[in-house]
Amino acid sequence: GAVVSQHPSWVICKSGTSVKIECRSLDFQATTMFWYRQFPKQSLMLMATSNEGSKATYEQGVEKDKFLINHASLTLSTLTVTSAHPEDSSFYICSAQKGGSTDTQYFGPGTRLTVL
Amino acid sequence: QKEVEQDPGPLSVPEGAIVSLNCTYSNSAFQYFMWYRQYSRKGPELLMYTYSSGNKEDGRFTAQVDKSSKYISLFIRDSQPSDSATYLCAMSMNTNAGKSTFGDGTTLTVKP
Repeated sequence: GAVVSQHPSWVICKSGTSVKIECRSLDFQATTMFWYRQFPKQSLMLMATSNEGSKATYEQGVEKDKFLINHASLTLSTLTVTSAHPEDSSFYICSAQKGGSTDTQYFGPGTRLTVL
Repeated sequence: QKEVEQDPGPLSVPEGAIVSLNCTYSNSAFQYFMWYRQYSRKGPELLMYTYSSGNKEDGRFTAQVDKSSKYISLFIRDSQPSDSATYLCAMSMNTNAGKSTFGDGTTLTVKP
């Protein structure tokens, strides 16, 4: 199979703090990983595309300095929400592609972030 | 207006019913169409992947694409309580599934 994990599964933090979310492909190497945000009863919104060893590509309207993405290896990408605020509270989901851009993306279980 | 419109439901059916889930879209450049199933507090899981117009069947699931009408459907036969989830349609202009545009999802409950 193609398993993608995320850690933590949920996190509560105070306003102004930073939170790091990890996305790992457990049984395959992922050349590309994607980060999404999903608000309750809304669709997934692509935040950024992450390729191993290069800078992430952010979608329009997503603040690069607020949502730091690092794709350090073929099995790990991290999303850091810096200086989090209550409006950043959301469900963050990553996905990974095994091979090239034509491959299916496999989603992680998501991380629920609540900022107090 | 959103590029992809999906009736959020909720949709409730008895076990064994045939379920029809639908999405409409406005961008005629979409070529690849996907359906995902998402259980509560979990990430989406790919169910069906279709290129251009036509039908595709996989077990109890059938995906239909009508590009002339900009309309896609997912049919679930002999629905089971385990099918209770949110179903998301997604579509993309190229083969890069990661660049998909998602619908808001339809929440389905199958009652035993």
